[in-house]
Amino acid sequence: GESVGLHLPTLSVQEGDNSIINCAYSNSASDYFIWYKQESGKGPQFIIDIRSNMDKRQGQRVTVLLNKTVKHLSLQIAATQPGDSAVYFCAERRGGGSNYKLTFGKGTLLTVNP
Amino acid sequence: KAGVTQTPRYLIKTRGQQVTLSCSPISGHRSVSWYQQTPGQGLQFLFEYFSETQRNKGNFPGRFSGRQFSNSRSEMNVSTLELGDSALYLCASSSTGGTEAFFGQGTRLTVV
Repeated sequence: GESVGLHLPTLSVQEGDNSIINCAYSNSASDYFIWYKQESGKGPQFIIDIRSNMDKRQGQRVTVLLNKTVKHLSLQIAATQPGDSAVYFCAERRGGGSNYKLTFGKGTLLTVNP
Repeated sequence: KAGVTQTPRYLIKTRGQQVTLSCSPISGHRSVSWYQQTPGQGLQFLFEYFSETQRNKGNFPGRFSGRQFSNSRSEMNVSTLELGDSALYLCASSSTGGTEAFFGQGTRLTVV
């Protein structure tokens, strides 16, 4: 079926620690997996994506890992800061040509304690 | 460049009424998608428009409809509102084939 789900609904970390947010997916036909961050009162904001034929991609303080064997996606945030407190969504993109559809997971609330 | 603009930001309606929400995408973006966000269901895809045509549709009843104009601005309409339609409605625009969808701040709809 079509579903993107999360292992943990909430995550609380200390400032400066590393955070790991996990996501499971069920559809192997997705060509990209994407992480979004949603701060309170705002719409989701793109963080990083990873193509389905890759297993790791790094950005600024963030790393996304993709394990296709177990259909698992994770977002690692290094040196977590209070400004990282938000809900994080994983999403998968499916489609072809110029026609794509994003399916989002339910989200993980990350709270960073000072 | 201006971001995605949704109007109004907040709306209170009564059961049975209908509502129209508006979304202006980023200039040059032809794809506009609509999502419903609730605490229990998360972000659920409503539909996507591209060049004035509905390209994809989620699993919502026919009370939910939308359209896109020639300037790519989009509207969504919900008729015969139910209490369960209370949600944050988000619009996202993207360029052709891009993975990055740019979201507006949403319209918070409360049905009483």
